[in-house]
Amino acid sequence: KQEVTQIPAALSVPEGENLVLNCSFTDSAIYNLQWFRQDPGKGLTSLLLIQSSQREQTSGRLNASLDKSSGRSTLYIAASQPGDSATYLCAVDQTGANNLFFGTGTRLTVIP
Amino acid sequence: NAGVTQTPKFRVLKTGQSMTLLCAQDMNHEYMYWYRQDPGMGLRLIHYSVGEGTTAKGEVPDGYNVSRLKKQNFLLGLESAAPSQTSVYFCASSSRTGSYEQYFGPGTRLTVT
Repeated sequence: KQEVTQIPAALSVPEGENLVLNCSFTDSAIYNLQWFRQDPGKGLTSLLLIQSSQREQTSGRLNASLDKSSGRSTLYIAASQPGDSATYLCAVDQTGANNLFFGTGTRLTVIP
Repeated sequence: NAGVTQTPKFRVLKTGQSMTLLCAQDMNHEYMYWYRQDPGMGLRLIHYSVGEGTTAKGEVPDGYNVSRLKKQNFLLGLESAAPSQTSVYFCASSSRTGSYEQYFGPGTRLTVT
């Protein structure tokens, strides 16, 4: 069974710092990997989706990379802002029907 | 364009009661999903549907039933609620083609006493 791990569980950084969030998965036979953001008491918002044939995706200050063979992905956030404070979740699709296995998330706090 | 909506937002049930959670999407998506989110467990897939009239089991389907009679709606039913079903339930939808990005509803917080 696929297991997705995110370390650290929580992270605090001062505003303006660049940071990296980590995601690892045990079964490399995936169709895609997705990064989401969740604000307290809210639903999830999709940030980036990387297909299994891709190495990275970028959106604004966010860059996600995928190393399928080693079972790892990173989410890089440049020039962090207090508005980036949220829980970040990664998820992998193993079936091609977009059935996602989620990690437990990293709670990010950006201190003004 | 409302995206994905869920009804109700909160509910308290007694053990053994039944209820139905409604998910609606206005994006003409083929795929729809029900997840539950528990502290320390992450989101887990309960059931999903790849089209109108079709449903399939996810990772944690026991104690739940679903129906997709219309493309825009996906219902999650609890026939006899148990305290272990206390959770936050999220519905999501995605297109069968294109980006596969999943769009989530705001969630339903269910407490079973």
